[in-house]
Amino acid sequence: DIQMTQSPSSLSASVGDRITITCRASQGITNYLAWYQQKPGKVPKLLIYAASTLQSGVPSRFSGSGSGTDFTLTISSLQAEDVATYYCQKYNSAPLTFGGGTKVEIK
Amino acid sequence: EVQLLESGGGLVQPGGSLRLSCAASGFTFSSHGMSWVRQAPGKGLEWVSAISGSGGSTYYADSVKGRFTISRDNSKNTLYLQMNSLRAEDTAVFYCAKGAYSSGRTNEYFQHWGQGTLVTVSS
Repeated sequence: DIQMTQSPSSLSASVGDRITITCRASQGITNYLAWYQQKPGKVPKLLIYAASTLQSGVPSRFSGSGSGTDFTLTISSLQAEDVATYYCQKYNSAPLTFGGGTKVEIK
Repeated sequence: EVQLLESGGGLVQPGGSLRLSCAASGFTFSSHGMSWVRQAPGKGLEWVSAISGSGGSTYYADSVKGRFTISRDNSKNTLYLQMNSLRAEDTAVFYCAKGAYSSGRTNEYFQHWGQGTLVTVSS
């Protein structure tokens, strides 16, 4: 089975900073990659699908890129409301594996 | 409006069984693949199982294969997860999640999630 590895596992940054989260697949998944945001105590929320397509209603400061095995989620200007854990997920075929998550905090 | 409402969680002893349900509304249920995703306390998301729109194809994580069974009743717009031989490590919030497209396939991302139901396995 394909493994999904996220890095870093956590990060702390200042409001306004640009941050990047990486997700690596152990085998190629073309662009079958989604990103989710989960705020504390809340249900996961879809941010990006097909590696780079922004879900409707998601602020444009979020962006995704990559194809094959290496993917990134970028927040161009971190806001206080972006404090959350972010997960990538492969969905080319089952198992629909999630990455281990990246916890984002404000410095 | 899409709604997914899980039920059936609770406290169960190790080795016991539990059946979760997910009542769906606001979309053509039979047209969408559905999944169960769980989250142990303080841990990340773990995909558990998926089923195609027709119910003809099912998939499981290795961690639950042979113990859990996913099914659906399209006449009742309801998804199920039968969980047998439960272990302490199965303790988690279980979410049902809807595939994004009306393709009936399971290889899709999740646009909608339920609120989750807590399963606690403990003696």
